[in-house]
Amino acid sequence: GQQVMQIPQYQHVQEGEDFTTYCNSSTTLSNIQWYKQRPGGHPVFLIQLVKSGEVKKQKRLTFQFGEAKKNSSLHITATQTTDVGTYFCAGWRTGGGADGLTFGKGTHLIIQP
Amino acid sequence: GAVVSQHPSRVICKSGTSVKIECRSLDFQATTMFWYRQFPKQSLMLMATSNEGSKATYEQGVEKDKFLINHASLTLSTLTVTSAHPEDSSFYICSARRQAYEQYFGPGTRLTVT
Repeated sequence: GQQVMQIPQYQHVQEGEDFTTYCNSSTTLSNIQWYKQRPGGHPVFLIQLVKSGEVKKQKRLTFQFGEAKKNSSLHITATQTTDVGTYFCAGWRTGGGADGLTFGKGTHLIIQP
Repeated sequence: GAVVSQHPSRVICKSGTSVKIECRSLDFQATTMFWYRQFPKQSLMLMATSNEGSKATYEQGVEKDKFLINHASLTLSTLTVTSAHPEDSSFYICSARRQAYEQYFGPGTRLTVT
């Protein structure tokens, strides 16, 4: 079945430093989504990438979708304490009535002031 | 728009009892809802896909007789954990699909089985 790998599992940065998390799928993805989950909270949708080579920006966040649609990355510039949380990538599965997202294991971002 | 609620938010039950969790899409109709489970510091694992008016499709390794899913209307899906045991303690999260690849997550239900 589809597997989505995400690295690193944990990332400690000083406030103001940049942060990147990487996502790789074992299969070609129709699209990839990124979520942020704060401690004790539920996943909150950040963005969806659909096109090969797509790059999208949200303020300090830059999302990329690989040319082969099998990998993606999230880059945060100049991290702030509000960026703390776990960032998940997720690929949409389709077929056979069993849809839904396959999530990566997530990257826990810890920021030291 | 696109709000999904879950009830209850927290539940503690005794081993052997059953617990029902509700997932509602408040401002849109969802022909498909999904149920995920998340253990502490781990990722979300899809348990089942729930389609309105039909039987749910369960992921491999998920016991359909233990995790009963009912999707009786376009705005409500329920997950019943039957004969719950401590190993079923987890964070259960539903999501509702509004269209195509667009889905919205509920706030989750934390189940503790004693």
